[in-house]
Amino acid sequence: NAGVTQTPKFQVLKTGQSMTLQCAQDMNHNSMYWYRQDPGMGLRLIYYSASEGTTDKGEVPNGYNVSRLNKREFSLRLESAAPSQTSVYFCASTRDMSNTEAFFGQGTRLTVV
Amino acid sequence: QKEVEQNSGPLSVPEGAIASLNCTYSDRVSQSFFWYRQYSGKSPELIMSIYSNGDKEDGRFTAQLNKASQYVSLLIRDSQPSDSATYLCAVNRGNTPLVFGKGTRLSVIA
Repeated sequence: NAGVTQTPKFQVLKTGQSMTLQCAQDMNHNSMYWYRQDPGMGLRLIYYSASEGTTDKGEVPNGYNVSRLNKREFSLRLESAAPSQTSVYFCASTRDMSNTEAFFGQGTRLTVV
Repeated sequence: QKEVEQNSGPLSVPEGAIASLNCTYSDRVSQSFFWYRQYSGKSPELIMSIYSNGDKEDGRFTAQLNKASQYVSLLIRDSQPSDSATYLCAVNRGNTPLVFGKGTRLSVIA
């Protein structure tokens, strides 16, 4: 049982480059989330998808876009990477928005130079 | 006021002692409360959930919730060096994403 799978695990980008972080869950969960984690800042919500076909902004959405491709997959895109986006990114999922026992992917460590 | 507040630590306890981790939250309508453990370089892992006032025990872990005081805690009995990690408190207000505290770093000294 894979749970939540993120790719890639590590990535180095140059300023201005674009990339997409992929996330897939096999738990038949309705809701999915993207967080970033920086030292001393805790987990901050970037975007979330309450259910297939919907997405909403979180606390720190600027510079990011998301796509809920289907029930399993939720991708995060950086259109023009900036050094301030250097962080560890986590994808998570929950059964729905009222049952929020969240399960996390293994994370993507992104460095923008 | 931050929505979910935790002492950043580090909290150092000797092996075999009880570690007490605390969390306060600001929104009185919060309904669900969670503790996650995160080892360095790893992703958060759910260890306890609590939904009603009182204590909930699971092995060496006890979660305590006091909604009147807007306070949730995690006790770890017989602490082991393998318990050394950052512990994240998370709160849900119902049909909204989880809000996380910044975490408390626990160090168990052998």
